[in-house]
This record gives sequence, structure tokens and C-alpha cells, in this order.
Amino acid sequence: SAVISQKPSRDICQRGTSLTIQCQVDSQVTMMFWYRQQPGQSLTLIATANQGSEATYESGFVIDKFPISRPNLTFSTLTVSNMSPEDSSIYLCSVEAPGNTIYFGEGSWLTVV
Amino acid sequence: GENVEQHPSTLSVQEGDSAVIKCTYSDSASNYFPWYKQELGKGPQLIIDIRSNVGEKKDQRIAVTLNKTAKHFSLHITETQPEDSAVYFCAALGPDGSARQLTFGSGTQLTVLP
Repeated sequence: SAVISQKPSRDICQRGTSLTIQCQVDSQVTMMFWYRQQPGQSLTLIATANQGSEATYESGFVIDKFPISRPNLTFSTLTVSNMSPEDSSIYLCSVEAPGNTIYFGEGSWLTVV
Repeated sequence: GENVEQHPSTLSVQEGDSAVIKCTYSDSASNYFPWYKQELGKGPQLIIDIRSNVGEKKDQRIAVTLNKTAKHFSLHITETQPEDSAVYFCAALGPDGSARQLTFGSGTQLTVLP
């Protein structure tokens, strides 16, 4: 299995500001992902965080709004830029462990006011 | 791309009864099907998974079945307990490749009544 730590776990942010979420894994993994889960909804993939290169974004998500870093095989960050109330969501870090098993962190619960 | 449908959206059962949640997928190339349990205020927790070369897998009170021909898979929870109350998500993962990603169902809110 993989143990995933996310920071912050929860935050209240002012409209127009940006927040960076950190994801740390206890072992080296090739694949790391960032998901968004809006209140009462399912999970939507934002992007795949690629080590050493630019992230791969899904339709509807852009780098200017959600810049991602992946400096090594155990760490990634997601920034939510210029936040609006519509960005209030749970942001989840996910990793693919050996054997294709996919694990999630506990999430970062953001409220934008 | 892959599309996963999940039913029912809500399910209430009496403690001790069984619960069944069903999912269908569209991409026959998908080969990995995990189930996640999400309790209030927590991230999704992997509870069981199945790969396309297996028809059934069981772990204590939880079992998953896969029908590749019909492209559907189901989660079975027996002897339900109040602590089983949560939202359950099914998902499907495609084969290795540039378009590989986990696609989720819409979730099932399971309530186990004491």
C-alpha cells in the first residue's frame, strides 16, 4: 500500500487568492494524480503530475488555473489560483502503487469566501 | 473515453442484511475495477478491487463480481453493520497507455439502519 499525506487538510480562503496543496507519499511512485470532488459529487481528474515534465491536464482544467509541480517521485503540489467560490471543493492527491493499485490521500477541503 | 454508471444512488438496509451496488462500464479495454468507501470528512479508501482476468473476489464480508461480457461489476456487502454506512464509489481503469485514467461512478450513499 501507499501512505499519502496532504497539507493543508482544510482551509478557508479569500476570493482572488491562491493556495498550494502539498502531497507527500511514503514510497517512490511513477504516477501521481490530482482530483477534485465538489460537494456531494463524484471525483473528477484534474491532471496527471509527471515527474520532470509538465503535468497532463484533463479537458476543462488548465495550467494557469491549476499549476502542478512534481519535483521527485514522492512529492507533488497543486496550486488553485485566483480562487472563486466555485473552487470550493475537496482536492485529492492519488498515487498508483505497484500492481496498478490506486490510493488516495485524505483530501484538502477548501472553502472560498 | 470510458463511462461508468453506478446504481443505486442511495441504499438503505437493515443491520445484518446484505447490500448490493452495481456498476457498468463502456470501454471493453478496461482491466482494473476498484471500489472505494468514503466516510464523511475523509478521502476515498480502497476496500476491494478486481482485475479483468478474475470473475469474483472476496474479502471477509465484502465481495466483488465481474462480468466482462456484459461489462458490469458489483459490490456485495453481507451482514451489514452501522459502520458500513458511507458513500461507495466504483471505478474502472484502462490499460497502460497515454490515455490511462481512473473513471469513477457517481457514488452510492449506503445507510445501515440499526
